[in-house]
Amino acid sequence: QVQMQQSGPGLVQPSQTLSLTCAISGDSVSSKSAAWNWIRQSPWRGLEWLGRTFYRSKWHNEYAVSVKSRITINSDTSRNQFSLQLNSVTPEDTAVYYCARGMGNTPGSYNFDYWGQGSLVTVSS
Amino acid sequence: QSVLTQPPSVSGAPGQRVTISCTGSSSNIGASYNVHWYQQLPRTAPKLRTAPKLLIYDNNNRPSGVPDRFSGSKSGTSASLAITGLQAEDEADYYCQSFDSSLDAWVFGGGTKVTVL
Repeated sequence: QVQMQQSGPGLVQPSQTLSLTCAISGDSVSSKSAAWNWIRQSPWRGLEWLGRTFYRSKWHNEYAVSVKSRITINSDTSRNQFSLQLNSVTPEDTAVYYCARGMGNTPGSYNFDYWGQGSLVTVSS
Repeated sequence: QSVLTQPPSVSGAPGQRVTISCTGSSSNIGASYNVHWYQQLPRTAPKLRTAPKLLIYDNNNRPSGVPDRFSGSKSGTSASLAITGLQAEDEADYYCQSFDSSLDAWVFGGGTKVTVL
């Protein structure tokens, strides 16, 4: 059974960096069949896929265009976890952030079968 | 506004059948990308909701443990989730998800709240 445990601060000041970590158990961040995603949910943007990291002979990162200039997703194989950094945040980045495992060999078959518990991050001074 | 369009709410009495539509376009569902469905149960703590749970994948497949009361279908640029024999525990928000080639991203519907009368 895959479990994903999120951690990180719940309050970030405007213009600063949002940082979250997702620890994985029951699977490996280096899995050659899974990818590791960040998704957020807010009343104004709904559910929004932000990006993913995955290993297929080498590490790959893919990001949504809406956040591409501000986002970094890294993996830590020694701790079997991955992280999200979102720079230059504004109040519009206030949301519940989820990490999720993605499975599927093609873009169309790709779905999110395990999710972290969610982290409410508020951007405010 | 979400790329995939869902009705904000549907309701039904216990035992009834309800359906939730998910309408896309030629760059997502109409491009033969599969549709997946998620159930998000009501919040259990202030300001924090439960995480979405995969309910249907690849248009009409149920993960292990999902009751066969839930079924999915897809046609053209739309997909549907059906719940037969509605139960009180089915009261939740439901989201569809697919891939959009124009955005080069995975996208979700705006969600549909199911109320059991």
